[in-house]
Amino acid sequence: GENVEQHPSTLSVQEGDSAVIKCTYSDSASNYFPWYKQELGKRPQLIIDIRSNVGEKKDQRIAVTLNKTAKHFSLHITETQPEDSAVYFCAARPRNNAGGTSYGKLTFGQGTILTVHP
Amino acid sequence: NAGVTQTPKFQVLKTGQSMTLQCAQDMNHNSMYWYRQDPGMGLRLIYYSASEGTTDKGEVPNGYNVSRLNKREFSLRLESAAPSQTSVYFCASSGPGTSYEQYFGPGTRLTVT
Repeated sequence: GENVEQHPSTLSVQEGDSAVIKCTYSDSASNYFPWYKQELGKRPQLIIDIRSNVGEKKDQRIAVTLNKTAKHFSLHITETQPEDSAVYFCAARPRNNAGGTSYGKLTFGQGTILTVHP
Repeated sequence: NAGVTQTPKFQVLKTGQSMTLQCAQDMNHNSMYWYRQDPGMGLRLIYYSASEGTTDKGEVPNGYNVSRLNKREFSLRLESAAPSQTSVYFCASSGPGTSYEQYFGPGTRLTVT
């Protein structure tokens, strides 16, 4: 099955700096890579995702890059703010054998605790 | 829309007791999932249901059973709770069509003593 490794496990930055979190995956057939943010005591929420036919995607201060050859993808947060402090999870979705439906198991990385100091 | 709801929010069980965690979604999603979250281990899939009437094992199914009661509801049962099942449990749903995003419920914090 799919295996997702996430690094670093903790990341501490000053407000305004950039933060980068990296994930590698093992299954070359995986085709969807979401990133979730989880604030303390809350549920995980999707912040950005990328599909395997795209190399980069941006949404304001957040971007995700995907290197299918090397089987790794990264989350980039620019101009960090204290409210960005949370746990971030990457995940990978293997290609669905049924083809093109919403059903699909996600395999998650272990999480990165991001702390942004004012 | 309430999205994905879970009950209860908190539960304390003694070893050997049983309980059912309830999950419901009002987004007309086909697929539903149960995860457990432990410190330093991310979210691990326990069971999932691709569509109404089907269920399959995930990464860590031992000690659990599930029921997809209808399209809206997906329950997780612990028949004989063990301290190793102390965790935070999240239900999620996705769909329809080609929307891959999974929406999570608020979680149930379970402690087994």
